[in-house]
Amino acid sequence: EVQLLESGGGLVQPGGSLRLSCAASGFTFSKSAMSWVRQAPGKGLEWVSGISGSGGSTYYADSVKGRFTISRDNSKNTQYLQLNSLRVEDTAVYYCATKIAVAGSKGAFDIWGQGTMVTVSS
Amino acid sequence: QSALTQPPSASGSPGQSVTMSCTGTSSDVGGYNYVSWYQQHPGKAPKLMIYEVNKRPSGVPDRFSGSKSGNTASLTVSGLQAEDEADYYCISYAGNNNLVFGGGTKLTVL
Repeated sequence: EVQLLESGGGLVQPGGSLRLSCAASGFTFSKSAMSWVRQAPGKGLEWVSGISGSGGSTYYADSVKGRFTISRDNSKNTQYLQLNSLRVEDTAVYYCATKIAVAGSKGAFDIWGQGTMVTVSS
Repeated sequence: QSALTQPPSASGSPGQSVTMSCTGTSSDVGGYNYVSWYQQHPGKAPKLMIYEVNKRPSGVPDRFSGSKSGNTASLTVSGLQAEDEADYYCISYAGNNNLVFGGGTKLTVL
């Protein structure tokens, strides 16, 4: 079964850091580009970051560029999102997402995790 | 990276059709055939319903269809059913490996 499982969320103070993990199973992880998408409470979806299958290419939304870092360890079938200099407005559920059946498409994610909550508050 | 514009709400009765719009610019929706639509029920992860403007992933009912004209993409749900009540989000490729979402439309089945 294809599955993504996020972890690492929690409560952190403004200016603090957190590392999110996304463990993948059921597909060839090293061949799949991965992304993070977040959703603030009661708000819409926002694409945050993406990484190629090899990890050689990374992409960020302007809102997180310079503060967040995406990475992956293909030997562990896991991708990560390092969140630094966190702001109150970064409070959201962070979803891990990928594309399997629609691999060649842009913006199409057919596999999602259940999400992990990040709360930035003093 | 400005968000795409979606109407906040839409509604229809069971069996009817409803169309939701997603308006962007020539730099995103109008410039690429990479518009996708997601359905999200409360407390659940989004589900891909349409990709590349009008393609349906396996398992998505053919009651769901997508189209695009200029800078506006549309999602049509035909034969509305109670389980179609959800939030719907569009997303478009915006060049330079950037993606932009719409603010979402809450669909109510009356």
